[in-house]
Amino acid sequence: QQKVQQSPESLTVSEGAMASLNCTFSDGTSDNFRWYRQHSGKGLEMLVSIFSDGEKEEGRFTAHLNRASLHVSLHIREPQPSDSAVYLCAVSTTSGSWQLIFGSGTQLTVMP
Amino acid sequence: NTKITQSPRYLILGRANKSLECEQHLGHNAMYWYKQSAEKPPELMFLYNLKQLIRNETVPSRFIPECPDSSKLLLHISAVDPEDSAVYFCASSAGTGKDNQAPLFGEGTRLSVL
Repeated sequence: QQKVQQSPESLTVSEGAMASLNCTFSDGTSDNFRWYRQHSGKGLEMLVSIFSDGEKEEGRFTAHLNRASLHVSLHIREPQPSDSAVYLCAVSTTSGSWQLIFGSGTQLTVMP
Repeated sequence: NTKITQSPRYLILGRANKSLECEQHLGHNAMYWYKQSAEKPPELMFLYNLKQLIRNETVPSRFIPECPDSSKLLLHISAVDPEDSAVYFCASSAGTGKDNQAPLFGEGTRLSVL
């Protein structure tokens, strides 16, 4: 059973400083990784998908994947107070389960 | 996100039966129901892909999904239980393959069971 863990549980950064979030997964055959954002009381907004080792950039959001280390990270460049939200890592294995498994999230607060 | 509409947005129930509705006009072939309990990540309940149902076997039998057509998804709940209090998200994606699997989520239905 895939386990997805995120760290830190909460993170506070100043506006404009880089924010870095971490996610580890247990199934080494995983090949489908996505980062979502959820503002309080709202639905999930997908930020970036990554399928192979290396990095993938979508605007101010960059995902880094190292499958050998079972680690995927999200870096947010020049965060703004409107980026304050819960950030969720989601992992699945295309050849196996169709199911996206979510981590428990990181609460990001960006101070003006 | 107004591309996937869910109704109702808020629901307060005693032990009753109710149906949640979801509609998408994106031409997506896969539709999902997710449950998100307080302070927890979303968990997949059901997936319809090309109208074929795939069920998460841990979901209680009082939850019954229905996919009357490719753009509509229903979730029937009979005799709700307090543990059913959660936000229920509908999502859809073009398919379930790696390159077209990214589910797009609706705003959710917040269910509170008294």
